[in-house]
Amino acid sequence: GAVVSQHPSWVICKSGTSVKIECRSLDFQATTMFWYRQFPKQSLMLMATSNEGSKATYEQGVEKDKFLINHASLTLSTLTVTSAHPEDSSFYICSGYSSYNEQFFGPGTRLTVL
Amino acid sequence: RKEVEQDPGPFNVPEGATVAFNCTYSNSASQSFFWYRQDCRKEPKLLMSVYSSGNEDGRFTAQLNRASQYISLLIRDSKLSDSATYLCVVNPYAGGTSYGKLTFGQGTILTVHP
Repeated sequence: GAVVSQHPSWVICKSGTSVKIECRSLDFQATTMFWYRQFPKQSLMLMATSNEGSKATYEQGVEKDKFLINHASLTLSTLTVTSAHPEDSSFYICSGYSSYNEQFFGPGTRLTVL
Repeated sequence: RKEVEQDPGPFNVPEGATVAFNCTYSNSASQSFFWYRQDCRKEPKLLMSVYSSGNEDGRFTAQLNRASQYISLLIRDSKLSDSATYLCVVNPYAGGTSYGKLTFGQGTILTVHP
């Protein structure tokens, strides 16, 4: 199957700082990527749909000014958590799809905000 | 009511046991259905799609009842390596997991012990 990478795999930051997470499709071009968030013992919740060359579409309840998404190329989407707070601590996972007709998930980024 | 509901478990079974997981979904317009497996602190991975006629992949059997909006997964001859969280996933679009926004259940935890 196709490969999606995320960087960093984990990050610890102080409250109030911003954190950027990169999601790359390594062997396919992803017109659309999705960003999910997973809190402990909970399911993955879709945060936003990232479209190459256009603005992301955010799910209800997700602050677009806090979670900035940029999808500047067909292989890279970034999620920036601005002014992070402890309640933003979570497991962030991106996914993309190719002509394989399957959505491929990145390995996730574990964010801890102190 | 959650869009996709699963019994969170945990299910603790001995090796060789047969275990069944259930899932219900609320959106009757949902078109495609899947079971994913997620290991601790890892991304979810597609286990199998679920078809109305029922489908089998080795020790795994999936069933879909559209009238009852109910999905099941049966694991026979459980192995230690089957220990994971099993996620029921629904897609509003037909076909694979590519298109549309996947909705995940909260997952059912399975532990297989010697």
